[in-house]
Amino acid sequence: GIQVEQSPPDLILQEGANSTLRCNFSDSVNNLQWFHQNPWGQLINLFYIPSGTKQNGRLSATTVATERYSLLYISSSQTTDSGVYFCAPLKGNTNAGKSTFGDGTTLTVKP
Amino acid sequence: SQTIHQWPATLVQPVGSPLSLECTVEGTSNPNLYWYRQAAGRGLQLLFYSVGIGQISSEVPQNLSASRPQDRQFILSSKKLLLSDSGFYLCAWGGQANTEAFFGQGTRLTVV
Repeated sequence: GIQVEQSPPDLILQEGANSTLRCNFSDSVNNLQWFHQNPWGQLINLFYIPSGTKQNGRLSATTVATERYSLLYISSSQTTDSGVYFCAPLKGNTNAGKSTFGDGTTLTVKP
Repeated sequence: SQTIHQWPATLVQPVGSPLSLECTVEGTSNPNLYWYRQAAGRGLQLLFYSVGIGQISSEVPQNLSASRPQDRQFILSSKKLLLSDSGFYLCAWGGQANTEAFFGQGTRLTVV
């Protein structure tokens, strides 16, 4: 299966700072999602981004499928951004629910 | 809009006891359904998926089983829990190929 490597594993920021989270994957993919897991364990969909760039408020994501990586940008971070961020790429023409998850980046935003 | 319900939120069970976790989806028909487990500090591992009633595929050998008795209902079961079954279990649904997956709120299972 696909190998997924997320970096950095842990990140501590001061409120207002910007950050970039990276996701490398070992094979070509047809699908990639970014999730935020909040302190209660809920997985929140951030982006569905098999290729290209998308933006949603202070967050944006870029996937370069040919080079097998995706980036998640968080600008002007807030304490509510704290949690674990997962990328989940999927190879093949199947549903995203069969994605392979990385081990995540744990983000702590301090006030 | 589609919603996914998963219960209970937390569960403490003794070793050797049975398990039944339920997941239901509303607002869609014929969804693909998934059970994941998350160990502490790790990513999610796919346990089972289903593309239709009675159709279950297992991704990893384990002490658990899954069933799909109705189109929008997915159940995770065990006859006898082991300590190693402790973890955070999440149900997810998705549409057809190359669409997003959406997750329930999860069940935190502690086997004592």
